[in-house]
Amino acid sequence: EIVLTQSPATLSLSPGERATLSCRASQSISSHLGWYQQKPGQAPRLLIYHASNRATGIPARFSGSGSGTDFTLTISSLEPEDFVIYYCQQRSNWPLTFGQGTRLEIK
Amino acid sequence: EVQLVESGGGLVQPGGSLRLSCAASGFTFSTYAMGWVRQAPGKGLEWVSVISASGGSTFYADSVKGRFTVSRDNSENTLYLQMDGLRVEDTAVYYCAKDHGEPNYFDSWGQGTLVTVSS
Repeated sequence: EIVLTQSPATLSLSPGERATLSCRASQSISSHLGWYQQKPGQAPRLLIYHASNRATGIPARFSGSGSGTDFTLTISSLEPEDFVIYYCQQRSNWPLTFGQGTRLEIK
Repeated sequence: EVQLVESGGGLVQPGGSLRLSCAASGFTFSTYAMGWVRQAPGKGLEWVSVISASGGSTFYADSVKGRFTVSRDNSENTLYLQMDGLRVEDTAVYYCAKDHGEPNYFDSWGQGTLVTVSS
């Protein structure tokens, strides 16, 4: 099973700042990584697929990068609604796995 | 607009069974793989199962293999998850999710249905 480790567990920033979230895979997964956002009480929403492709309707301030074992989700300028939880997910191997999540909180 | 509506959750005793349903609309259901993902209270996301568009291929997490069965009725646009031998650790909100055009990413999700396994 491929283990995804997200860091940091919690990231404290202010609106307007740049956020950099990390996801590291226990073995190479090429570019087979997605990012999801989950707001309290809501289902997850796909932000990024295949490491760097924005899903439909996702604002341009969200971008993804990386390949192999190290991946990054960048939010260029934080909006108040961005302070929620983010998960990465790999589809390279069965079983599909998610990271444990990064909580983005207002500083 | 894609809509996924889960139903069938509830309280069940350990060892019991439940069948979850997910009614889909707003897209051509028969052409997309579908999945189930769960989230225990206060915890992260855990993938449970995927079924191919035709229903001919199914995949399961080790934690549910042999106890859960995913199926679909393409004539009724409905996804199912039969859960047998339920354990306390199966307690979670269960989401159904639609596969993206790129396989095994999930681009639309239902609102979730809560399954509680407790005596």
